[in-house]
Amino acid sequence: AQKVTQAQTEISVVEKEDVTLDCVYETRDTTYYLFWYKQPPSGELVFLIRRNSFDEQNEISGRYSWNFQKSTSSFNFTITASQVVDSAVYFCALSEGWSSASKIIFGSGTRLSIRP
Amino acid sequence: DAGVIQSPRHEVTEMGQEVTLRCKPISGHNSLFWYRQTMMRGLELLIYFNNNVPIDDSGMPEDRFSAKMPNASFSTLKIQPSEPRDSAVYFCASSLAGASGGHEADTQYFGPGTRLTVL
Repeated sequence: AQKVTQAQTEISVVEKEDVTLDCVYETRDTTYYLFWYKQPPSGELVFLIRRNSFDEQNEISGRYSWNFQKSTSSFNFTITASQVVDSAVYFCALSEGWSSASKIIFGSGTRLSIRP
Repeated sequence: DAGVIQSPRHEVTEMGQEVTLRCKPISGHNSLFWYRQTMMRGLELLIYFNNNVPIDDSGMPEDRFSAKMPNASFSTLKIQPSEPRDSAVYFCASSLAGASGGHEADTQYFGPGTRLTVL
């Protein structure tokens, strides 16, 4: 069965520090998607990134970067030079397969607090 | 482009009353998902539709919950009768499923949620 584990329940760092959010997943599928979503204090869920299982290239978007390693079933998310606006709950998620209307399994989330 | 639209944004009702939550997916999307989020249970998928047809409703907690999608641009989630333990934030999400290789394919975009309080 699919499973997503975000072992870090809460992280608190001082502004400008780098921080990495861990995500470990389990699946028997050979084709799947991995996602990260952000939920700021306002409550909405914001899509950040999607990777497919065939693409292990790391991705960088501004201060955000993602490290996908199939060998360790991990999809970690790093924020460089964190800012107070990065404070949010971050969810890692895994799709069931790669077909029409795939379900997404969400992790339990990591609450990130950035202190000024 | 408009994102997923949900209404109402907040709902306060009394136990036993019927509650109807509404969702308008992103135009062109063919899959729609209803989630519930609580502190205790996190994000739970309740039901999802593909091309207006319910595909998996195994997450619907009990018979008091029902969902419909009469057309591609509208869905409802109904709770009748409501109970205090139904208090949660209910999210609707939509995606364009099956578009192989496309950047947008199979990515779920969420609405702002409906915060339901049952007294």
